[in-house]
Amino acid sequence: AQSVTQLDSHVSVSEGTPVLLRCNYSSSYSPSLFWYVQHPNKGLQLLLKYTSAATLVKGINGFEAEFKKSETSFHLTKPSAHMSDAAEYFCVVSLSNSGYSTLTFGKGTMLLVSP
Amino acid sequence: DAGVTQSPTHLIKTRGQQVTLRCSPKSGHDTVSWYQQALGQGPQFIFQYYEEEERQRGNFPDRFSGHQFPNYSSELNVNALLLGDSALYLCASSFFVASYEQYFGPGTRLTVT
Repeated sequence: AQSVTQLDSHVSVSEGTPVLLRCNYSSSYSPSLFWYVQHPNKGLQLLLKYTSAATLVKGINGFEAEFKKSETSFHLTKPSAHMSDAAEYFCVVSLSNSGYSTLTFGKGTMLLVSP
Repeated sequence: DAGVTQSPTHLIKTRGQQVTLRCSPKSGHDTVSWYQQALGQGPQFIFQYYEEEERQRGNFPDRFSGHQFPNYSSELNVNALLLGDSALYLCASSFFVASYEQYFGPGTRLTVT
């Protein structure tokens, strides 16, 4: 079975400092991995995706993630946090079965950004 | 281009009642998936519809059922509501051939009292 583990339930940073949100995955084969962001009372927005192409994936709003097979990790980073980045972030793995894909979400990491 | 839309936005029901939630997929998408997000948790997969049939199902009881219409829109029905069914219900749409890339609607907040 495929799964993802988000290592931190909350991460606090100051505006302008780097962001690191950690995610480890478990998969019996090369997975498709995603990061989604959810702002309060809003739907989920896709930040970036890894689908077995380049291991360093760039997303929207300056976020990027690196797929490391040897470490089974897919950590999300951003060089400089902005107040608008405060939200909940979900690491997601895609499970495919007979051509149908479903998403398995981690429990989420709440990013808090202070001035 | 309209994204995924869901209705209603909020809903309050009583235990034992039945509820129907609706979803219109992003233009051109043919696959609809439904997720339940309890407070403080990540979304959990309920089921997925393609060509008007349920193709995949998560670990949810038969009280949860759905339908997909010829225009690809979808409904989620929940019977005999329990307090534990209170959650944000999210609809996601995708192309079948790339159904790993799903676009989410804003959700319907269901409160069961």
